[in-house]
Amino acid sequence: GEDVEQSLFLSVREGDSSVINCTYTDSSSTYLYWYKQEPGAGLQLLTYIFSNMDMKQDQRLTVLLNKKDKHLSLRIADTQTGDSAIYFCAESHGSSNTGKLIFGQGTTLQVKP
Amino acid sequence: SAVISQKPSRDICQRGTSLTIQCQVDSQVTMMFWYRQQPGQSLTLIATANQGSEATYESGFVIDKFPISRPNLTFSTLTVSNMSPEDSSIYLCSVEDPSRVGGETQYFGPGTRLLVL
Repeated sequence: GEDVEQSLFLSVREGDSSVINCTYTDSSSTYLYWYKQEPGAGLQLLTYIFSNMDMKQDQRLTVLLNKKDKHLSLRIADTQTGDSAIYFCAESHGSSNTGKLIFGQGTTLQVKP
Repeated sequence: SAVISQKPSRDICQRGTSLTIQCQVDSQVTMMFWYRQQPGQSLTLIATANQGSEATYESGFVIDKFPISRPNLTFSTLTVSNMSPEDSSIYLCSVEDPSRVGGETQYFGPGTRLLVL
């Protein structure tokens, strides 16, 4: 079935790198996404990766995709206190439900000064 | 990218009443979706709002409880009917923006925070 799993909590010190991990089950996913939700706010798209890629870098963000293991990670370099938020990974469902995203439970990132 | 707004941003309602949430996009989009985020939980898709036809509901969600309108390509409403405290959630609309690379990518509105007493 459809399932996306994330660890629930990560704590890092300001300036360190953060790595948030995600596993998924739908091998037919076209895109995989990372969204950020700050307290009291909606979801902000951070980045996405197409399923035929294995890495994508965007400024401080690096996304790694291991399609064989169905593992996705988000690395945030030089983590800042403003990065404290909940991070959701999501996969686009296979062909039968256009537009359906399956979300993980979210990883709360706490950045300590 | 498309700018998405939702009204109201938050509300406190009595059980048994209904609330209609509006989602407005500043450009025409093909696909609009409604999600629910229960307290401390992830997002679950309620339905796809189809322009000019009935919405497509996910398993566990029904039209009588969550009627949806999509009169044009920039606007949709979600009604939460006969509310109970279990309906207390954040309700988010999202759109696919075909003008962006990665055209299946969904962009979310700010959400409507609903508390049912």
